[in-house]
Amino acid sequence: RKEVEQDPGPFNVPEGATVAFNCTYSNSASQSFFWYRQDCRKEPKLLMSVYSSGNEDGRFTAQLNRASQYISLLIRDSKLSDSATYLCVVNRDSWGKLQFGAGTQVVVTP
Amino acid sequence: DADVTQTPRNRITKTGKRIMLECSQTKGHDRMYWYRQDPGLGLQLIYYSFDVKDINKGEISDGYSVSRQAQAKFSLSLESAIPNQTALYFCATSDPGAGLKADTQYFGPGTRLTVL
Repeated sequence: RKEVEQDPGPFNVPEGATVAFNCTYSNSASQSFFWYRQDCRKEPKLLMSVYSSGNEDGRFTAQLNRASQYISLLIRDSKLSDSATYLCVVNRDSWGKLQFGAGTQVVVTP
Repeated sequence: DADVTQTPRNRITKTGKRIMLECSQTKGHDRMYWYRQDPGLGLQLIYYSFDVKDINKGEISDGYSVSRQAQAKFSLSLESAIPNQTALYFCATSDPGAGLKADTQYFGPGTRLTVL
């Protein structure tokens, strides 16, 4: 079983719609959770950290479910510029090492 | 100016050649990392360094070596390149003293390496 699993997609989303997707992680001791965004063959960029109580940043909402070991990302009012691959990232240990999922591709269409 | 830079951005080389990828950062972070990314796979950790004197192997270190020349510089070498090392390589940094952001990693623009 992969340490971090994501649905690769693509999720085809009409502009203005809402899209949500999850990622599951296997290490119950993980403490830090992130969503990164990666545009085609470019560097991953931090989208948001995910906190225990869930958090929101503009049109983006992240949730953490420790009991079921998954995190989710919801994008409201999708923009064409939201088209990207979203990487689920979980810390492996207390020494700063991260485990990356393979990513979920989102394609927002006009 | 970018905080994390990588050179070269693209490189084509032949099997058996030695190649070095360089990473520099102006963020003042102690921790630096090298990853490779293959299509359909998550980023895989090659080597990481917590400071100039502390270098550690990641999950896929075979065939690679690194050098931490200074806090700001971390180089990755392929001693004898082979075609299955064709990939996108990223350098990243993090600041362990950043509180809640201690595990956040910041990436360079990547090096696209092709081994023929």
